[in-house]
Amino acid sequence: NAGVTQTPKFRVLKTGQSMTLLCAQDMNHEYMYWYRQDPGMGLRLIHYSVGEGTTAKGEVPDGYNVSRLKKQNFLLGLESAAPSQTSVYFCASSRRTGPNYGYTFGSGTRLTVV
Amino acid sequence: RKEVEQDPGPFNVPEGATVAFNCTYSNSASQSFFWYRQDCRKEPKLLMSVYSSGNEDGRFTAQLNRASQYISLLIRDSKLSDSATYLCAVNHGSSNTGKLIFGQGTTLQVKP
Repeated sequence: NAGVTQTPKFRVLKTGQSMTLLCAQDMNHEYMYWYRQDPGMGLRLIHYSVGEGTTAKGEVPDGYNVSRLKKQNFLLGLESAAPSQTSVYFCASSRRTGPNYGYTFGSGTRLTVV
Repeated sequence: RKEVEQDPGPFNVPEGATVAFNCTYSNSASQSFFWYRQDCRKEPKLLMSVYSSGNEDGRFTAQLNRASQYISLLIRDSKLSDSATYLCAVNHGSSNTGKLIFGQGTTLQVKP
C-alpha cells in the first residue's frame, strides 16, 4: 500500500515562480488536507477538502490555491512564490469523521524559496 | 492563547524512565483527540487515539480530562527508540470537516 504519496520531495524556487505540489492517496479517503510545518509554529492548515470537487480555506490560505478534481488527488498551487513560503508541506488524508479517524500523512515536500 | 498547547521540552530522560506529556486545548466542543509521533525530518505518524475512558497500548497510556481540557501521554520504560517529537491533535470544535489542530510538539530524548 502506497498510502499518501507526495511529489516532489524537494524543490527550490526563485521568488515569483509558480509550482504545483501533488498529493495522491490510494485509501479511498474522503477528506484531504494540506499543512505547512515551520519551526516554532507547528503544523498549520492551509486548505482542505471534504470530497471530490470541494475545497475550503484553512488557517493560512493566502498565497495558495488547491484543486480536487479526482477523489484520490489533491493539488496545492503556489502562483507566485515568496520566501515566506519556505516550509515543509505535508498532505494528509482521512476517512469520514468518526471516533478514530486519525490522519495518514505523506512524507512531505521541502520547499525553499530564494 | 493557542487552541492547542504543548510544552516543547526537550524532555531528557534515561532509558527505563517513565515520562509524561500534557497537552491543553481551548475549545470545549472538541470531541476527537490524538497523539502523533514525528521523527526528525519525517512525517507525523498516528501513535494513538485518546478515548474518554483512557486507553493503553503497550508502554503507552493516553488519558483525557475534559473538565480541565487536557490530554496526556504516559510512556513507561522508555527506550532509545522512543526519542522523537510527540504532537497532540484535537479536532476543530464541533466541526465535521475532520480538521485537526496540532500542538507544536514535545521533544523527547531518551539517553542510554
